[in-house]
Amino acid sequence: KNEVEQSPQNLTAQEGEFITINCSYSVGISALHWLQQHPGGGIVSLFMLSSGKKKHGRLIATINIQEKHSSLHITASHPRDSAVYICAVRVDSSYKLIFGSGTRLLVRP
Amino acid sequence: EAGVAQSPRYKIIEKRQSVAFWCNPISGHATLYWYQQILGQGPKLLIQFQNNGVVDDSQLPKDRFSAERLKGVDSTLKIQPAKLEDSAVYLCASSLGGTGLSSYNSPLHFGNGTRLTVT
Repeated sequence: KNEVEQSPQNLTAQEGEFITINCSYSVGISALHWLQQHPGGGIVSLFMLSSGKKKHGRLIATINIQEKHSSLHITASHPRDSAVYICAVRVDSSYKLIFGSGTRLLVRP
Repeated sequence: EAGVAQSPRYKIIEKRQSVAFWCNPISGHATLYWYQQILGQGPKLLIQFQNNGVVDDSQLPKDRFSAERLKGVDSTLKIQPAKLEDSAVYLCASSLGGTGLSSYNSPLHFGNGTRLTVT
């Protein structure tokens, strides 16, 4: 079993829909990152969080440390949100990062 | 602020040939990572540097892969000889790093990657 699991693996939505991507992990962490990767492009860091909730524009990230679970929400989704979203956790008190395999999102106009 | 620079952007080589990738992190970033990302998978850490010292190279195939960061700034990753299964995107990332617990949680900055095709 992978230490970081994302669901769903693939997601297709209509423009305007509310989207949720989930990340569960089994190790102790000091922080969790949500990353966005466009086709052929590099990776952009969206959020880094260790507790609670963060919001940036239409994106919201939450984390529940006790349940070892995080969610990334996209409100009023748009075709330009189409990308792979990757969850990565920083193992507690170390430099080690463990990545999930990503969620491929396609938003249709 | 200039981002993480990587070159080349694309590389096509035949198996058993050698290849080298270059990365220049954001100025002042102590921590530098090399990741391998095979199509459809998340990035896998190959090697992590803290300044010019290696922090983690446990997943680096040392019989064919090598990396260095001699002056604690830019870094090169080499594959010699390449195999078909090395076809992937090689990503370089950097973070502020440093010492102390807060350094573990510095934001990550990624380069655009080098797409390697081994034929």
